[in-house]
Amino acid sequence: NAGVTQTPKFRVLKTGQSMTLLCAQDMNHEYMYWYRQDPGMGLRLIHYSVGEGTTAKGEVPDGYNVSRLKKQNFLLGLESAAPSQTSVYFCASSYGTDTQYFGPGTRLTVL
Amino acid sequence: EDQVTQSPEALRLQEGESSSLNCSYTVSGLRGLFWYRQDPGKGPEFLFTLYSAGEEKEKERLKATLTKKESFLHITAPKPEDSATYLCAVQSIPHYNQGGKLIFGQGTELSVKP
Repeated sequence: NAGVTQTPKFRVLKTGQSMTLLCAQDMNHEYMYWYRQDPGMGLRLIHYSVGEGTTAKGEVPDGYNVSRLKKQNFLLGLESAAPSQTSVYFCASSYGTDTQYFGPGTRLTVL
Repeated sequence: EDQVTQSPEALRLQEGESSSLNCSYTVSGLRGLFWYRQDPGKGPEFLFTLYSAGEEKEKERLKATLTKKESFLHITAPKPEDSATYLCAVQSIPHYNQGGKLIFGQGTELSVKP
């Protein structure tokens, strides 16, 4: 099992550009999450999904959109990137609301 | 508001020098407290879940304990490969019932020198 995978690993955007981050899991988990990690801020929840076709806002959802069209995939979109969205993004999944398992992360820089 | 505070921010140990990391929390009904290890450039790796005061869990040189206000991660005779950032997170009962949100602390960066 690959667990949780994320693509791409690195990305550089210019202000105003858009992009989509892909998270995939092969553990048949119902719940999936997107976090961002910034120095001195800890991990903060952006959006989450409790099942295929469902999404919900987390702690810091502004400027992001998500979609869960397939159970194994959770997409995070930035429609108009801003420098404040420079961060490391982590996807996680869980069986129910128990232990969350994290992917390797995507390092995003917005110039 | 649920909060998690970890101390110290950074800890430097000599190989074999045992110590403890602290995670203090305030939460509206604790459902679970989670410890993760994060290596540079990697995602957090799950270590332990603790559910009730008095509970202890061990894995190799690590032992996690839980009280009603804090958790400790004890590291016995650490080795250089234990160097990493250790993250603590709490899940409240309301959040357990609403998607399982975790509140993370800022982490403790542990460095073990040979």
